[in-house]
Amino acid sequence: EEQLVESGGGLVQPGGSLRLSCAASRFSFSSYWMSWVRQAPGKGLEWVANINQDGSEKYYVDSVKGRFTISRDNAKNSLFLQMNSLRAEDTAVYYCASDRTNYYDTSGLRYWGQGTLVTVSS
Amino acid sequence: EIVMTQSPATLSVSPGERATLSCRASQSVSSNLVWYQQKPGQAPRLLIYGASTRATGIPARFSGSGSGTEFTLTISSLQSEDFAVYYCQHYSNWPPYTFGQGTKLEIK
Repeated sequence: EEQLVESGGGLVQPGGSLRLSCAASRFSFSSYWMSWVRQAPGKGLEWVANINQDGSEKYYVDSVKGRFTISRDNAKNSLFLQMNSLRAEDTAVYYCASDRTNYYDTSGLRYWGQGTLVTVSS
Repeated sequence: EIVMTQSPATLSVSPGERATLSCRASQSVSSNLVWYQQKPGQAPRLLIYGASTRATGIPARFSGSGSGTEFTLTISSLQSEDFAVYYCQHYSNWPPYTFGQGTKLEIK
């Protein structure tokens, strides 16, 4: 069964930094765009960023542009999210998810990790 | 940015009955609409993509319809495991992808 496992969450002060990781297994990681999606406590889902297969294209929601950086290492089947200048409103569970295989693929975010909690508080 | 609006916010239905959930897009997304199910403490699960295609392993009691700006998720005969929060998401004119605010399906 396809698996994604996030790590790296925790408590950080406002203005601080954190790097999330997502380890993929049992599917062809390098064939997929990958996304980060977050969910604030008791709230809905918010797409954060995605990255194409070779890392040459990256897109972000406006609220994290200039602060977060998505990256990947296909040799290690891993996805990352570097989060800088963190704010209280970034507090959420962060999920990694497999995304499209090409621009015309609209089959949704198929595989999801269990999430990692990021808490930004002093 | 495309805004996705789901209704109702909460839907109370008895087991064995039919549930109908709605999702509206602020502009046409063609058939590029996805539905997810999320249970407490769990990650979302892909249910429907392309507005009407069930994902692998999804029971036939789940069906999706619609195109353009109006979409519906129907659960034909509710089972106990179906009570959860359901989200729609567009897959058109990205980035960003945007989700609806969710519909909580609760036991009546």
